[in-house]
Amino acid sequence: DTEVTQTPKHLVMGMTNKKSLKCEQHMGHRAMYWYKQKAKKPPELMFVYSYEKLSINESVPSRFSPECPNSSLLNLHLHALQPEDSALYLCASSQDREGTDTQYFGPGTRLTVL
Amino acid sequence: QKEVEQNSGPLSVPEGAIASLNCTYSDRGSQSFFWYRQYSGKSPELIMSIYSNGDKEDGRFTAQLNKASQYVSLLIRDSQPSDSATYLCAVNIYNQGGKLIFGQGTELSVKP
Repeated sequence: DTEVTQTPKHLVMGMTNKKSLKCEQHMGHRAMYWYKQKAKKPPELMFVYSYEKLSINESVPSRFSPECPNSSLLNLHLHALQPEDSALYLCASSQDREGTDTQYFGPGTRLTVL
Repeated sequence: QKEVEQNSGPLSVPEGAIASLNCTYSDRGSQSFFWYRQYSGKSPELIMSIYSNGDKEDGRFTAQLNKASQYVSLLIRDSQPSDSATYLCAVNIYNQGGKLIFGQGTELSVKP
């Protein structure tokens, strides 16, 4: 089973709101990722967690705050977003961070910032 | 030079034909290569992974890797309208902490 789940599927928020995106995997994977994808563009890496520790932050603005409560869960806390942050947010997981490990993507959360 | 480049597309083929998708990469430290399919509004879905030179076949899909030429391709035989999607080439570079570098994607349209 290569399933990564994400909630919610859709989210509409104002620029002053605080919201969270959630991601869960039960494959025993030890690496989890957040990506942002704009229309007609490839996914852009935001964060990488390895063994529940943040290992890569691709210079993402502080209005995005990741959290990894345990090895199966990954959250992305959102605060004071801008309309240009509207995008598809994808979570992925892999066995580890080794180069040969395949990343499996969740269905994504479609975020709209008003 | 972009790290991973793909055919600009869109690529249109008739049903039953072979679709050929190409990808080149610039970093010789690249060690693993992935093809993802992405339907409009959906998330990327893994189609093939390939790690060593040569061909790898899975059903109607064949991935080809040539590390000397820094080239990876995906062939889709007997193309079906359901294959119409954007195909993303992704490369994992050694010692980059699991970071995938994506190409811009090639949009494939299979006409009935």
